[in-house]
Amino acid sequence: EAGVTQFPSHSVIEKGQTVTLRCDPISGHDNLYWYRRVMGKEIKFLLHFVKESKQDESGMPNNRFLAERTGGTYSTLKVQPAELEDSGVYFCASSHPRGGQETQYFGPGTRLLVL
Amino acid sequence: EDQVTQSPEALRLQEGESSSLNCSYTVSGLRGLFWYRQDPGKGPEFLFTLYSAGEEKEKERLKATLTKKESFLHITAPKPEDSATYLCAGRVKAETSGSRLTFGEGTQLTVNP
Repeated sequence: EAGVTQFPSHSVIEKGQTVTLRCDPISGHDNLYWYRRVMGKEIKFLLHFVKESKQDESGMPNNRFLAERTGGTYSTLKVQPAELEDSGVYFCASSHPRGGQETQYFGPGTRLLVL
Repeated sequence: EDQVTQSPEALRLQEGESSSLNCSYTVSGLRGLFWYRQDPGKGPEFLFTLYSAGEEKEKERLKATLTKKESFLHITAPKPEDSATYLCAGRVKAETSGSRLTFGEGTQLTVNP
């Protein structure tokens, strides 16, 4: 079974540019999460999809971030325009709903550097 | 505010030297305490989930335990390949299907041969 995949693995852009990150969850997983880790800090939640619907987007830092999950399969996270503080590692995770017992499986992450 | 704190930040052990990592949490309505392992340049890899105080789970040289306020990850006779960052995360009460994880900053473990 293929795990969570993310593309690209690395991205270096200049301040003010746009970047789009992609996540392909494990097949059959309805739950999809985005997290990020900025330098020296813990991994923090950004948002949660159930199929194509945004269940919880309370962790999104501001309106420069836009996440979509059309068709309930893969998801994209767009940052427009990028700022220096957006640099970090963006992780995607997916899970299959199992009532109160759910395990989130993480992808390898996209390392974003904004110059 | 939900919070997860891990200690120590970094730990160096000699091969075969057993030790424990600590994770203390203040998460309202905790519905699972998770341990992940993360190697450099990779994403977190799931190790264990604990749901209730007193619960224990084991995998090879690792054993995770849970009390009402903290969790421990015990490493018995570690090997160099156990070197990694170990992450602890709490899951809040799920109102609907699935819910966020609140992570600690991790403990970076180095096991010297």
